Amino acid sequence: AQSVTQLGSHVSVSEGALVLLRCNYSSSVPPYLFWYVQYPNQGLQLLLKYTTGATLVKGINGFEAEFKKSETSFHLTKPSAHMSDAAEYFCAVMASGTYKYIFGTGTRLKVLA
Amino acid sequence: DTAVSQTPKYLVTQMGNDKSIKCEQNLGHDTMYWYKQDSKKFLKIMFSYNNKELIINETVPNRFSPKSPDKAHLNLHINSLELGDSAVYFCASSQTRAEAFFGQGTRLTVV
Repeated sequence: AQSVTQLGSHVSVSEGALVLLRCNYSSSVPPYLFWYVQYPNQGLQLLLKYTTGATLVKGINGFEAEFKKSETSFHLTKPSAHMSDAAEYFCAVMASGTYKYIFGTGTRLKVLA
Repeated sequence: DTAVSQTPKYLVTQMGNDKSIKCEQNLGHDTMYWYKQDSKKFLKIMFSYNNKELIINETVPNRFSPKSPDKAHLNLHINSLELGDSAVYFCASSQTRAEAFFGQGTRLTVV
């Protein structure tokens, strides 16, 4: 069975500081991994995804994530936080051969001026 | 053009009523989903259809019944609404094992 753990339900960073949101997954088969962002009262928007190939993936809005199989991790980073990055972030996994996206519990990012 | 659209966006209703939420996608995707997001923002899959065939049916009360008249539409009907059904319901679609595209959500409040 697949599962996703997001460490830290709330993360605060200063504007301009590094953003690091942690995601660890459990999957018995090679996973597909995703990061989504949710702004208040909106749906989920895809930031980036890993399916196969290059383990460092770049997404929208300056975010990137690295798939580390040995650590079963897919942490999300951004070098310099903007106020507009304040939102809820979700990591998700889909095991190959299934249709089910399993989401983590989310991390609320707060950006301090 | 909105890729995945849900109606209504807000739904306030009394306990015991029956209501439906409609979803349409114009992306040509094969698979559609219903997810429930609770007050703590936890997202849980409810149902999934692939080419109009039900492929995922999680542990959901049978008061909830999905219907997919065609590949582009997936509706959710809820009978005998309860207070605990209050949540945001998201429709999503995907092509096989690619990323899912989500609608804007339907905020259901049962009073």
